[in-house]
This record gives sequence, C-alpha cells and structure tokens, in this order.
Amino acid sequence: AQSVTQLGSHVSVSEGALVLLRCNYSSSVPPYLFWYVQYPNQGLQLLLKYTSAATLVKGINGFEAEFKKSETSFHLTKPSAHMSDAAEYFCAVSAVRSLIQGAQKLVFGQGTRLTINP
Amino acid sequence: GAVVSQHPSRVICKSGTSVKIECRSLDFQATTMFWYRQFPKQSLMLMATSNEGSKATYEQGVEKDKFLINHASLTLSTLTVTSAHPEDSSFYICSAFRSEGQTQYFGPGTRLLVL
Repeated sequence: AQSVTQLGSHVSVSEGALVLLRCNYSSSVPPYLFWYVQYPNQGLQLLLKYTSAATLVKGINGFEAEFKKSETSFHLTKPSAHMSDAAEYFCAVSAVRSLIQGAQKLVFGQGTRLTINP
Repeated sequence: GAVVSQHPSRVICKSGTSVKIECRSLDFQATTMFWYRQFPKQSLMLMATSNEGSKATYEQGVEKDKFLINHASLTLSTLTVTSAHPEDSSFYICSAFRSEGQTQYFGPGTRLLVL
C-alpha cells in the first residue's frame, strides 16, 4: 500500500524567494513519484516525475525535485518564485509496474496551496 | 504531446436528468483511463478505473449504477451521471494512462452543477 503526506496545506513565499513544497511517501514497493500543478478551475498538469532513473528530476517552469529514498521524500523546489507559480500542487505516488501489469492507480497527497506575495 | 480533453467543460442540469462527460486522449492511445471527483479545496478522489473493452472497476463507495462508465475505444471514455441530484454537483476530472513513461495525463475537468 502507498500513501503520501504533504506537509503544509498552505505555503506563502515572496516573489523571487525559494519555493519548497514538502512531500513524504510510504510505499511497500519501488515507487514512481509525481508532482502535478492545478490552476483554479483546471485539471492537473504534470510538473515532473521520478521513475527510478536520476534522483534529481527537473521539470517544467523551473521546478525540480529530489528523490531521497533514505528520507522517503520527494520535495519540490524552485530557486526563485514567480507570481504565475501561485496554484495548488499535488504530490502523488504509484507502484512500479511492468507494461504487462498495466496502469497503476495514483495515490495523491492532500495538496499544498502556494501563494506568492509581491 | 500527451493531451487529454474533456467535454463539456461546464454543465448545468436539472435534478433527475442524466449528464454524459467525455474524456479523450488526443495524441496517444490509452487502454486505461481514470475518473476522479474533486470537492472544493480538496484533493482528487478516484471514482473508477476505466479499461478499454471491459467493465470499469469502481472504488469502494462509488455507485456503479449511478456513475456509468464506457470505454469504447482506445481514445475515448465516457462518464454518465444518471438521475443527477444536487449532491452530485462537483468537479469531475479524467486522466489517461500513457504506458510509455507510465504516467497519467489529466483532462481540464468538467464542472457539474445540478439544480
């Protein structure tokens, strides 16, 4: 079974400051990890994903995340926040499965709302 | 690539009527699609897994006769909310699973309001 905990339902940073959104996961099997972003009244957009290759993953819009197995973490960072980064961010985990096994369900965290102060 | 569309984006209907929501993967084939429901300021709740050519698998507590799912082709899944009631008002989001990369790509969502 898998679970995801996002620490902090609301994070507020100043424009130009570092963004750090925390995600810890629990998984009994090797995980795939994802960060999605949701803007108001829209679906989810994939920011980045970890699929057992490089532990430091770079995504779109300047975001990156580092998979740390020893800490069971997959925190999302961006060096300099932009006003357009204001949105809801979801961390999600799924189990590694073979193509024969097919699609695996995603387990989502509760989300973190990021606010950018001018 | 990996674009998923949903139609309609918003729908308002009267209580007791049925509403169909379409989910399409535009540039890849998706054997599996997922349907989620999202309440305001909350995370996504998985309702069901839709597999092409077979019956959908519903999560515990989701009424299969209430939320009919049809995955008739590798690019289209539909969710029909039957005999809708005000408590069915919500934001419904679908995703399509792309086996290359083992990633779910999400549609833009459908806002349903039942009066």
